[in-house]
Amino acid sequence: GESVGLHLPTLSVQEGDNSIINCAYSNSASDYFIWYKQESGKGPQFIIDIRSNMDKRQGQRVTVLLNKTVKHLSLQIAATQPGDSAVYFCAETLSPSNSGYSTLTFGKGTMLLVSP
Amino acid sequence: GAVVSQHPSWVICKSGTSVKIECRSLDFQATTMFWYRQFPKQSLMLMATSNEGSKATYEQGVEKDKFLINHASLTLSTLTVTSAHPEDSSFYICSARVVGIDEQYFGPGTRLTVT
Repeated sequence: GESVGLHLPTLSVQEGDNSIINCAYSNSASDYFIWYKQESGKGPQFIIDIRSNMDKRQGQRVTVLLNKTVKHLSLQIAATQPGDSAVYFCAETLSPSNSGYSTLTFGKGTMLLVSP
Repeated sequence: GAVVSQHPSWVICKSGTSVKIECRSLDFQATTMFWYRQFPKQSLMLMATSNEGSKATYEQGVEKDKFLINHASLTLSTLTVTSAHPEDSSFYICSARVVGIDEQYFGPGTRLTVT
């Protein structure tokens, strides 16, 4: 089940289940979105990205869904494994121009706990 | 490819001292580097953005005289926490990107503890 702690929501699942992690983003003008996985004491690790001209993108065991109407992103992990246990962050940005850059805005994060 | 390293991985310093954290892009040239701070069980908060050879752009609420950023080359940016206090204890993470590519490549982070 899902619980909301003081700062970090937690999703607890059993190994083999499918996991769905949700994220509400803030800027309706954002056109590029990324999901990151962060293990304890490490930096964020890129999982999958999606641009605003798409509503779904699939990777290996992961799928990202984008609903621009309600400014919502989700990350689906199929056949969740104990090694998937980590904190997952969504991030949004505006695609930078060739000469410029845009900064990433991170969501609050969700801790995924996978029990064997 | 696209590896970013940070040094040190962890550091303990006494209150009032300064500490420098290095961020290096190992196999690419980073035109822009970003510094984030992360407190326990919280998200990453952008502190500043630095472009090689120019002054860093700091986010609102981040003291530029306390967090000195130098981006002297296309592969190295440094963050110096001056006159550190216990409330500066945090996980500091850098990232780097190349012009024209959206993705940022993140370093492994540096755990700073100020006693």
